[in-house]
Amino acid sequence: NAGVTQTPKFQVLKTGQSMTLQCAQDMNHNSMYWYRQDPGMGLRLIYYSASEGTTDKGEVPNGYNVSRLNKREFSLRLESAAPSQTSVYFCASSAPIAGDNEQFFGPGTRLTVL
Amino acid sequence: GQQLNQSPQSMFIQEGEDVSMNCTSSSIFNTWLWYKQEPGEGPVLLIALYKAGELTSNGRLTAQFGITRKDSFLNISASIPSDVGIYFCAGFQTGANNLFFGTGTRLTVIP
Repeated sequence: NAGVTQTPKFQVLKTGQSMTLQCAQDMNHNSMYWYRQDPGMGLRLIYYSASEGTTDKGEVPNGYNVSRLNKREFSLRLESAAPSQTSVYFCASSAPIAGDNEQFFGPGTRLTVL
Repeated sequence: GQQLNQSPQSMFIQEGEDVSMNCTSSSIFNTWLWYKQEPGEGPVLLIALYKAGELTSNGRLTAQFGITRKDSFLNISASIPSDVGIYFCAGFQTGANNLFFGTGTRLTVIP
């Protein structure tokens, strides 16, 4: 099992450009998440998907959109990138059953917006 | 979002020493998780705690779910150089849909 995979690993954009970050998991998990991590801060939730076909906003959703394409894949889109979106983006998945809220993370995408 | 306060922010220790770090909140959590993140990688789950007072070990790591449900502790015994990284606590509340993360404790082990 590869676990959670993310592409690309690195990306540089100019202000105003758009891009989509891809995430896939092979653990048959129902829930998937997108976080951003900024220096000196913990991870902050952007969007999550509790199951295929549903998405909900997290703590910092502005400037992002998501698509839960199927059970395996959850993508994050920046329609018009801004320098404030320079960050490391992590995708995670979990299989919330009774008492099990453990999230497993991908390796991250390092995004720089110039 | 919920504020999870981790301390210390950073630690420099000698190889072989024991390490203690903690995470506190003003709110009650029903699950506490501890993650380790190495440079250029995503967080890796170390220990999960589900009951107040629970003490769980994973090799040289031991974590405890505080009895008040507002805090958690992580201990690493006999540290080694590969323990270097940032350790994050994370909490989950019933009725919420996401984890809340602390700001991390950066651990440096001096050989």
